[in-house]
Amino acid sequence: KQEVTQIPAALSVPEGENLVLNCSFTDSAIYNLQWFRQDPGKGLTSLLLIQSSQREQTSGRLNASLDKSSGRSTLYIAASQPGDSATYLCAVKVDTGTASKLTFGTGTRLQVTL
Amino acid sequence: EAQVTQNPRYLITVTGKKLTVTCSQNMNHEYMSWYRQDPGLGLRQIYYSMNVEVTDKGDVPEGYKVSRKEKRNFPLILESPSPNQTSLYFCASGRQGLNGYTFGSGTRLTVV
Repeated sequence: KQEVTQIPAALSVPEGENLVLNCSFTDSAIYNLQWFRQDPGKGLTSLLLIQSSQREQTSGRLNASLDKSSGRSTLYIAASQPGDSATYLCAVKVDTGTASKLTFGTGTRLQVTL
Repeated sequence: EAQVTQNPRYLITVTGKKLTVTCSQNMNHEYMSWYRQDPGLGLRQIYYSMNVEVTDKGDVPEGYKVSRKEKRNFPLILESPSPNQTSLYFCASGRQGLNGYTFGSGTRLTVV
């Protein structure tokens, strides 16, 4: 059974710092990995999608890497801003053609302080 | 605008009173799914559908029903809600294969 772990559970950093969020998964037979952002009481916003054959994806100040063989992904946020404060979730996708699901980690709650 | 729309956003109901949470997507996606989110447990899949008239159980299907009569709609039905179904519910849609999923804004359900 696929298990996804995110460390740390919570993180507080001062504005301007670069930071790394970690995601690990137990079964490397994934189709892709997706990073989401969730604001309190709100829905999930997709940030980056990495296919199993890719090593990294970038969008603005965000860079996500994937090492499928070791079951790890990182989300790097450069020059953090108070508006980056949210919970960040990673999810791995298994898609066999007859079944498809995302397995989520429990998230890292990020607070960027002034 | 491409989106997944859930209704209602908030719902308070009493134990045993049947309810339906609707989900609709305008992206012609084959795949749709329901998740619930609980503190400390993360998001867990309830049911999913690979296409019209094709549905299957996820990790926590007990107490829920779904139907997929049309490609765009995937309602979640609670025939007899109980307090342990108090949660934040998300609907998602996507294409099979390489693509990611798009999520709705969520439905916060409270069963008293």
